Amino acid sequence: AQKITQTQPGMFVQEKEAVTLDCTYDTSDQSYGLFWYKQPSSGEMIFLIYQGSYDEQNATEGRYSLNFQKARKSANLVISASQLGDSAMYFCAMRGNDMRFGAGTRLTVKP
Amino acid sequence: AAGVIQSPRHLIKEKRETATLKCYPIPRHDTVYWYQQGPGQDPQFLISFYEKMQSDKGSIPDRFSAQQFSDYHSELNMSSLELGDSALYFCASSSTRAVTEAFFGQGTRLTVV
Repeated sequence: AQKITQTQPGMFVQEKEAVTLDCTYDTSDQSYGLFWYKQPSSGEMIFLIYQGSYDEQNATEGRYSLNFQKARKSANLVISASQLGDSAMYFCAMRGNDMRFGAGTRLTVKP
Repeated sequence: AAGVIQSPRHLIKEKRETATLKCYPIPRHDTVYWYQQGPGQDPQFLISFYEKMQSDKGSIPDRFSAQQFSDYHSELNMSSLELGDSALYFCASSSTRAVTEAFFGQGTRLTVV
């Protein structure tokens, strides 16, 4: 069975600084995908970034990058140059045979 | 670009009533997932379909059922509604041919009174 763990219920970061949101996973699948989603207070789930288990390079999408360490089974999200609009819940998810989510991290960006 | 469409966006039902939620995946996506997200909770996987066949089942109550139709849209049917069913219900779609994509609809907010 797949399991996603996000150990940080809440994080604070100063505007314009970088922040790392942790995600570890457990799976027996050889092929899987890792996703990060942002959920603002309005409720929608916004896709941020994807990392495939066989991708050798860390994924990047604008200010988002994924620090993928396969041996450690971690897929941390790094947000650079934080903006006030980044304040939201962030969910890590893994897709193998299905798609499961971690408990989420609430990020608050302080001005 | 077309996104995942869910309807209705909001639904209010009384206890013991039934509700049907609809999901229209992104064109050419072959997989649909359903999730339930209670207040302050992470999304809980309910059920998924691949090419119109049920592919995996999560914590879906027996009072709920779902199916995917020939046009790939999916419906989640909920019967004998309970107050605890009040939640945000998400549908997501993805493609086995484009594994980097997994997008969510806007969600249906169900309130049971």
